[in-house]
Amino acid sequence: DGGITQSPKYLFRKEGQNVTLSCEQNLNHDAMYWYRQDPGQGLRLIYYSQIVNDFQKGDIAEGYSVSREKKESFPLTVTSAQKNPTAFYLCASSIYRGPGNTIYFGEGSWLTVV
Amino acid sequence: GENVEQHPSTLSVQEGDSAVIKCTYSDSASNYFPWYKQELGKGPQLIIDIRSNVGEKKDQRIAVTLNKTAKHFSLHITETQPEDSAVYFCAATSGGGGGADGLTFGKGTHLIIQP
Repeated sequence: DGGITQSPKYLFRKEGQNVTLSCEQNLNHDAMYWYRQDPGQGLRLIYYSQIVNDFQKGDIAEGYSVSREKKESFPLTVTSAQKNPTAFYLCASSIYRGPGNTIYFGEGSWLTVV
Repeated sequence: GENVEQHPSTLSVQEGDSAVIKCTYSDSASNYFPWYKQELGKGPQLIIDIRSNVGEKKDQRIAVTLNKTAKHFSLHITETQPEDSAVYFCAATSGGGGGADGLTFGKGTHLIIQP
């Protein structure tokens, strides 16, 4: 089946730790994205990547980092600099970054700071 | 940049009745308007979209209308069923810049179908 796989589904982090969320897609999409979702806030863009070895900051990139070494993979690291990391994180992809391209989402990862 | 307002934040309707969710956008250059449905604990799924060269699009019980002059678009669900209960997000994009194809999301509507 083609799709976007995020792992883990649930993750607990101690304060001061970095954690990495995995995102893999087999849709052969060039563009990939990371969103953060908080209750009542909608979806906010963290980072996006248009092509391998390229990525750009979104609206709320502070405290996060990404890499795009392979077309199918776009991991997100939540660093200790992110002051309020507890949220639902969504990875997404589209054929390429351009007007009107459908964006497909993964099933999300819940991150909780303990 | 684009700003998308979505109303209402919560909508409760009786099973079998119709539901309407409305969104307004600010950027007159926006030309693509998708709607997503998100069930609890899952990722959003695209349910319908419309481009600025059409005024209405239907897919079975779901329809979307677009008024470019007033800069608003709406999602209509007829003959609602329990499985329609979810959070619905509208979005708009001009594709002219910014991240994610310039896609800006509304804050979501929690649709509750009462049996």
